[in-house]
Amino acid sequence: DQQVKQNSPSLSVQEGRISILNCDYTNSMFDYFLWYKKYPAEGPTFLISISSIKDKNEDGRFTVFLNKSAKHLSLHIVPSQPGDSAVYFCAASAEGGGADGLTFGKGTHLIIQP
Amino acid sequence: KAGVTQTPRYLIKTRGQQVTLSCSPISGHRSVSWYQQTPGQGLQFLFEYFSETQRNKGNFPGRFSGRQFSNSRSEMNVSTLELGDSALYLCASSWGHTNTEAFFGQGTRLTVV
Repeated sequence: DQQVKQNSPSLSVQEGRISILNCDYTNSMFDYFLWYKKYPAEGPTFLISISSIKDKNEDGRFTVFLNKSAKHLSLHIVPSQPGDSAVYFCAASAEGGGADGLTFGKGTHLIIQP
Repeated sequence: KAGVTQTPRYLIKTRGQQVTLSCSPISGHRSVSWYQQTPGQGLQFLFEYFSETQRNKGNFPGRFSGRQFSNSRSEMNVSTLELGDSALYLCASSWGHTNTEAFFGQGTRLTVV
């Protein structure tokens, strides 16, 4: 049973436009969410996080939105740049931890078209 | 500040053998977590150590074990290797528990033949 779902395996966006990556979760105990970016043959790189007490967090070109009632979060990248092409993972954890540590989605491969 | 260092980067082992992977966290970080990444299952949590104690454990068989030393460095061990253990093993460190930002190493690519 997948508790964190990224339903789009891939997404293609034109350079300069907005990229929107989506993530849904089922476990209501999750209250801290993170986005990671991964290039081939490298470990994931932390991008941005959000606590459940917020509905938005912004860092430069990256903004994460959290809709707790819908159990949905999204990552917006504006404007998209060629270097943003990578696999993006959504991850979630519960306060105080739990048996699962960070629970990851299966990733969305973002491709920025020139 | 040095990042998370994992050694070795690549490893080839035979079925039935055992393997030990090493992880040096970011200086000052006390929490170390291990994850397995495979194409079919994505990133799956193995276990987390904090101050030399295992705090959390994922749904993996007992062949997977780990430990953390007083300097926060961690090792994970897989005994009686199976073909299905071929994966990228990632270590992540964080200052506190896993509900803070975790920073990943580049991983160890294990191939079991």
